[in-house]
Amino acid sequence: GQNIDQPTEMTATEGAIVQINCTYQTSGFNGLFWYQQHAGEAPTFLSYNVLDGLEEKGRFSSFLSRSKGYSYLLLKELQMKDSASYLCAVRGTGGTSYGKLTFGQGTILTVHP
Amino acid sequence: KAGVTQTPRYLIKTRGQQVTLSCSPISGHRSVSWYQQTPGQGLQFLFEYFSETQRNKGNFPGRFSGRQFSNSRSEMNVSTLELGDSALYLCASSLGAAENYGYTFGSGTRLTVV
Repeated sequence: GQNIDQPTEMTATEGAIVQINCTYQTSGFNGLFWYQQHAGEAPTFLSYNVLDGLEEKGRFSSFLSRSKGYSYLLLKELQMKDSASYLCAVRGTGGTSYGKLTFGQGTILTVHP
Repeated sequence: KAGVTQTPRYLIKTRGQQVTLSCSPISGHRSVSWYQQTPGQGLQFLFEYFSETQRNKGNFPGRFSGRQFSNSRSEMNVSTLELGDSALYLCASSLGAAENYGYTFGSGTRLTVV
C-alpha cells in the first residue's frame, strides 16, 4: 500500500517563501505529483518528479529524494492568489497503478498581506 | 485545446436513487480516471478506463461503476445512493498511464444526497 503525509495547514506572508513537505511510504514508486486546488475548483498540475533532484518552474520548485521517501514544494514570491490547497500524490508501479494517484490529505496554505 | 469537461456541475439526489456522471477527456487522451473527494477522506481513486477497458479499480463498493465509450468519453454510475456518497466527483484524463505526463482534472460534479 501507500501512505502519504503532509502538513494540514500552513500560513505565510505575501512576498515570502514557503516550503510544503510531503513524505511517503510506498510499495512501488513511479513518480510524485504536486497539484494546486482552489476551493471548489479542479486540482491543477504544478510539477512532476520521478528522479531525485530539483525541478524548477517559475516561482514553483519541487524536490524529490526517493531514498528518503521525501518531497517538498517550494513557492517563492508568494502572492495572495497562492492561497489554496496543495496536494502531494504518488503513482505506483505495475498494473495497479494504471490511472491511479494516491493523494495526501492536502496542505491548506493561507497567504496573508 | 479544450480541457476536461464534466457534466453536470451540480446534482442533488435522494437516498436510494441512482446517478450518472459524464466526463469528456482532452482530445487525444485515452485514459480516464475517476476520483471521489470528501473533506474527511480527501481524493480517493475509484477506477480507470483506457480504450474502453477498465484497467484499475479502487476500494469502493459495487454500487460504483463506470464505462468508457469509443470516443474516450466516460460515465460513472452510482446506484442506491447513500448520504455518504455526497462528494465532489472528479475525472482526470491522460494520454496513458505509462506516459510521463500529469493528469488533467475536470472541474468536477458536486453530488449532494439528501
